[in-house]
Amino acid sequence: TQLLEQSPQFLSIQEGENLTVYCNSSSVFSSLQWYRQEPGEGPVLLVTVVTGGEVKKLKRLTFQFGDARKDSSLHITAAQTGDTGLYLCAGRIVGGSNYKLTFGKGTLLTVNP
Amino acid sequence: NAGVTQTPKFRVLKTGQSMTLLCAQDMNHEYMYWYRQDPGMGLRLIHYSVGEGTTAKGEVPDGYNVSRLKKQNFLLGLESAAPSQTSVYFCASSYLQGVTGELFFGEGSRLTVL
Repeated sequence: TQLLEQSPQFLSIQEGENLTVYCNSSSVFSSLQWYRQEPGEGPVLLVTVVTGGEVKKLKRLTFQFGDARKDSSLHITAAQTGDTGLYLCAGRIVGGSNYKLTFGKGTLLTVNP
Repeated sequence: NAGVTQTPKFRVLKTGQSMTLLCAQDMNHEYMYWYRQDPGMGLRLIHYSVGEGTTAKGEVPDGYNVSRLKKQNFLLGLESAAPSQTSVYFCASSYLQGVTGELFFGEGSRLTVL
């Protein structure tokens, strides 16, 4: 059973377009993180959200945590080729161990010039 | 700072052979993790450690052993490699116990078992 479902699995767009990727679960999370992974490298943290309804902005990236803390979205405005990569959401389940971070399978984003 | 360093970066094994992956971090982090990443499967936790001398099982521990004899090092061992263990292995470390702890990852070790 996959605790965190990410969609879409693959996304290919042109530079300048906007996009949204999703991370959904039936479980409640105490926190949720988004990581980006480039080919041949390990994931790197983009943002952490902890409060239901929270919205965080990182330049052209907007992250939202659902009110019920079961889902999250990542919106990219005016995508650039440098945004290409695997976007992973990861969360800590309420009542679970804080040591364990559960990852989704990721969304592979390709931004074409 | 080097951050999290994994060695080796690439390795090819024959079925039944053994090997050890080494993870070293220079950030004085208490928590360390080993994940494997397979196409279409995402990152799955193999084993983790919450401090020197401690280890615990993750989601997919079978066929692997770990040791944390020194705070800065976390070793992942395969006693008898199987083709199903062909994967990219990532080590990570974390400094914060709370819900917002960030994981710092190494660059990965690509293992092929023939």
